[in-house]
Formats: sequence, C-alpha cells, structure tokens
Amino acid sequence: GENVEQHPSTLSVQEGDSAVIKCTYSDSASNYFPWYKQELGKRPQLIIDIRSNVGEKKDQRIAVTLNKTAKHFSLHITETQPEDSAVYFCAALGGGGNKLTFGTGTQLKVEL
Amino acid sequence: NAGVMQNPRHLVRRRGQEARLRCSPMKGHSHVYWYRQLPEEGLKFMVYLQKENIIDESGMPKERFSAEFPKEGPSILRIQQVVRGDSAAYFCASLQQGEQYFGPGTRLTVT
Repeated sequence: GENVEQHPSTLSVQEGDSAVIKCTYSDSASNYFPWYKQELGKRPQLIIDIRSNVGEKKDQRIAVTLNKTAKHFSLHITETQPEDSAVYFCAALGGGGNKLTFGTGTQLKVEL
Repeated sequence: NAGVMQNPRHLVRRRGQEARLRCSPMKGHSHVYWYRQLPEEGLKFMVYLQKENIIDESGMPKERFSAEFPKEGPSILRIQQVVRGDSAAYFCASLQQGEQYFGPGTRLTVT
C-alpha cells in the first residue's frame, strides 16, 4: 500500500519568513495530493491540492510543488503570519483511488 | 466542510460500554470515510463505505469495531466494549470531485 513520509515534524519560523514542508510517497500510481491544516481541537481543513498532471499550484501565500519522478511534493507558505500556526498534514490518494494516506503531520509555529 | 455532520461531538464512555458515532455526509454524497486520530498523532484511515456497502475496511481493528452505512440514515461507527486506548478523535469525511472534506469529529473519552 501507499506510504507517506512527512518532514519536519516541527517547524518554527519568524513572522514574515517562509515555511516549507516536504512529503514523499511510495505508490507511483498516486495521482492526487492534498494538504490539510488542523488547528487545535478542530477538523482538518483542505487548504490546497495538486493533481499529478501539474507540477506546481499556487493560491495567494500558499503553493504546492510536485515532482513525480522523485515522488515528493512540498508545501510552501510565504510571508507567514501567527494564524498560520497549526498542524499541517500532507496526503496521497493511491492508484486504487479509494483512500487517502496521510503523513504524520508538521507542527508549524510562527513566532512574533 | 460544514456540510459533513457528526454527532455527538463529545462522548464519554466507561470501559466495557459501547460507543456509537454517527456521520452524515454532504447532501447527495454516498461515500463516507472514517479516520481515527489519537492525541497528538496523525489521521489513520479506518474504513470506506458507500451506501449499504463496505468498500475498504483495511484500517479497521479486527475486533470490537464495525461500521455501516444504511440506505437511509447516517453512517455509524460502532465500538463495542470500549477500552481506554479507544480514546481519540474520530473523523468522517465526504468525497466531492475527488476532494475529501472532514466533519467536525467526535471526541471519545473512555474512563
């Protein structure tokens, strides 16, 4: 089955700096890669996703890149703000298309 | 997404009791996923259901756990004879154009 690894597990940045979170996946047939943000005590919220037919997608301060050859994808947050502080999860939808496999999460802390 | 409903939001059970968690997907959706999130851990897939059909239950523990999604009514995740290790947040998710949206979760506490 699919295996998703996520790094780093914790990330601390100064307000205004950029943050990068990286994930690798094992199933070369995976074709959909969403990112979720989860604030303490709340549900995971879909913030951006990318499909295997594109290499990069951007939405305001958030961007995701995908390297299919290397089987890794990354989340980039620019001009970080305190409200960006949360746990971020990457995920991959396997070739079977049935379920998402999640990474272990990154605790992002944006310090003033 | 506000369209995925779960209840109860909080559930307290004593060891040995049964827990029933309910999930109603977004209107018009017939696919439901259940995930478990232990404290300070990631999301673990449990089961994927369509109406009246279990598609993938590879993440479900072999004993005490069961799930259903009847033709009418919500999907139900049932945990029999709960133990303290079952304490977790249980999220369901609904699928829309390939994108999964999560419900608010049920936080189960076993005392």
